Amino acid sequence: EAAVTQSPRNKVTVTGGNVTLSCRQTNSHNYMYWYRQDTGHGLRLIHYSYGAGNLQIGDVPDGYKATRTTQEDFFLLLELASPSQTSLYFCASSDPSTNSNERLFFGHGTKLSVL
Amino acid sequence: GEQVEQLPSILRVQEGSSASINCTYENSASNYFPWYKQEPGENPKLIIDIRSNMERKQTQGLIVLLDKKAKRFSLHITDTQPGDSAMYFCAASAGFASALTFGSGTKVIPCLP
Repeated sequence: EAAVTQSPRNKVTVTGGNVTLSCRQTNSHNYMYWYRQDTGHGLRLIHYSYGAGNLQIGDVPDGYKATRTTQEDFFLLLELASPSQTSLYFCASSDPSTNSNERLFFGHGTKLSVL
Repeated sequence: GEQVEQLPSILRVQEGSSASINCTYENSASNYFPWYKQEPGENPKLIIDIRSNMERKQTQGLIVLLDKKAKRFSLHITDTQPGDSAMYFCAASAGFASALTFGSGTKVIPCLP
């Protein structure tokens, strides 16, 4: 089973604060994703990456930056956090080149509260 | 991009009965349709998927149907049991190098007959 580790598991910050969410996968997957989960909206794609140094814009990118420093590590940055960014954030990885194809392996999530 | 609509948002189903969740998509180029199950406090996990070259797929009490003309796909849980209590998400993508777009989720609540 693929391993995707997110940190921190919980984070509380204030409006205007600076937050970095971290994600590491140890399965040599090329693709990594950041989703946010909100009641009534399901999972919405923020940013994703095909590999180190690559960044693709998702469906709800406003207010977020991301950086893929290595094949293993993908970071989500909120430079001026707002209450609307209070959410459960999931990182995921996949490797379409394998037999598992587009299957996503999710981390356990980071619960972010912006006060 | 892609838009995926999922209904219903909440589904109460008697134990032993079948539960059905429906999704529609907009992008005719979408060719991969997975379903994820998320139990309380857990992360989503893939339970079954179907590609556009198939109309029906079945595994371990789950059936997925795909109607490409109608741009509609559905999940059927046969013989619903307490362990099926969870959020279920449908998703669609145009395949390799395309990210998944998820539906808004369905909360399945099994209840006693």
